[in-house]
Amino acid sequence: GESVGLHLPTLSVQEGDNSIINCAYSNSASDYFIWYKQESGKGPQFIIDIRSNMDKRQGQRVTVLLNKTVKHLSLQIAATQPGDSAVYFCAENGEYGNKLVFGAGTILRVKS
Amino acid sequence: KAGVTQTPRYLIKTRGQQVTLSCSPISGHRSVSWYQQTPGQGLQFLFEYFSETQRNKGNFPGRFSGRQFSNSRSEMNVSTLELGDSALYLCASSLQQNTGELFFGEGSRLTVL
Repeated sequence: GESVGLHLPTLSVQEGDNSIINCAYSNSASDYFIWYKQESGKGPQFIIDIRSNMDKRQGQRVTVLLNKTVKHLSLQIAATQPGDSAVYFCAENGEYGNKLVFGAGTILRVKS
Repeated sequence: KAGVTQTPRYLIKTRGQQVTLSCSPISGHRSVSWYQQTPGQGLQFLFEYFSETQRNKGNFPGRFSGRQFSNSRSEMNVSTLELGDSALYLCASSLQQNTGELFFGEGSRLTVL
């Protein structure tokens, strides 16, 4: 598994602004990427996914961008709302089955 | 439709004891995965079951084990508990195999004293 530190990066944004959360992955063989949101006291919640044959995918108020050249993934949230405050995790699923490898996470704080 | 249910939500054990955690997946979901979440190591994969068979196992010692029943409910067991086993144990279910769209429960928070 991955070793992560105690201190997660934090992104603070003003309500209504757009948020961009970044993630670097290390396994060039990974072909499927997912973003999860975890609110305090809850389990992670699926947001959006993207396969390696795509470089962009849009959902409701969210867009995921994949740059395989530099092994970088980003999640864009449009018109960020207070309810978007949470920890956001990127994950890879490059192996058979539902084994997900999660990144360290980024805390998103939305200021009203 | 009810979500993933994990029991117990909180428990305290002492070193050397064992613990069993239970997970009821969403109705119709046949795949159940378990993850350990700690502040230091983040979310780490423990194991995955599909139709009562373990399909994948993470890098955890043999003290961590699990099983799945014919109704897709799953249990995980940790024997000879260590202080470092204190964590939030999350169960997730999914409808399909080989998907990243997992539905997580709220977890069982284990404290080992």
